[in-house]
Amino acid sequence: RKEVEQDPGPFNVPEGATVAFNCTYSNSASQSFFWYRQDCRKEPKLLMSVYSSGNEDGRFTAQLNRASQYISLLIRDSKLSDSATYLCVVNEGDRSNTGKLIFGQGTTLQVKP
Amino acid sequence: DVKVTQSSRYLVKRTGEKVFLECVQDMDHENMFWYRQDPGLGLRLIYFSYDVKMKEKGDIPEGYSVSREKKERFSLILESASTNQTSMYLCASSPGDRDTGELFFGEGSRLTVL
Repeated sequence: RKEVEQDPGPFNVPEGATVAFNCTYSNSASQSFFWYRQDCRKEPKLLMSVYSSGNEDGRFTAQLNRASQYISLLIRDSKLSDSATYLCVVNEGDRSNTGKLIFGQGTTLQVKP
Repeated sequence: DVKVTQSSRYLVKRTGEKVFLECVQDMDHENMFWYRQDPGLGLRLIYFSYDVKMKEKGDIPEGYSVSREKKERFSLILESASTNQTSMYLCASSPGDRDTGELFFGEGSRLTVL
């Protein structure tokens, strides 16, 4: 079983749609959680951290369910520029230990006009 | 802005050649990392370093070595390249004590081994 598992997609959605990505992780001791975005042929960049209480950044909402070991990312009112691969990332160490980051394989989103 | 620079965007090497991938960061970060990214497998950690002259194995260190002689520079070495090392290699850094869990990546080096 993969340590961090995502549906690879691709998710093809029209502009304006709401889309949700899910991610599960296997290590219950994981400490912190993130979503990264990777554009085609580019490097990954941090999109947002995921907090237990859930957090929102504009059209993006991230949620964490520790009991189910499940993380989600919701994108509302999709834009063409949201087309990218979204990587679920879990830190199995303490917060300062970025050496323990485990990356999911990513979910590809394609937003169509 | 943090800048992580990888020396080569594209390389083509032959089996058995020694390959050096260089990475430099300009933000005085303590931590530096080398990952490889392959379709369907995601990013996998090869080696990382928390300090100068210090290195730790990641999840897939076999066939690789690293060098960190200066704080800003972290090199990945393939002693004898093999075709299964054809991949995208990504260098990253993070502050260390001030870590938020965010990694700053270079643009990647796509290596093809023939």
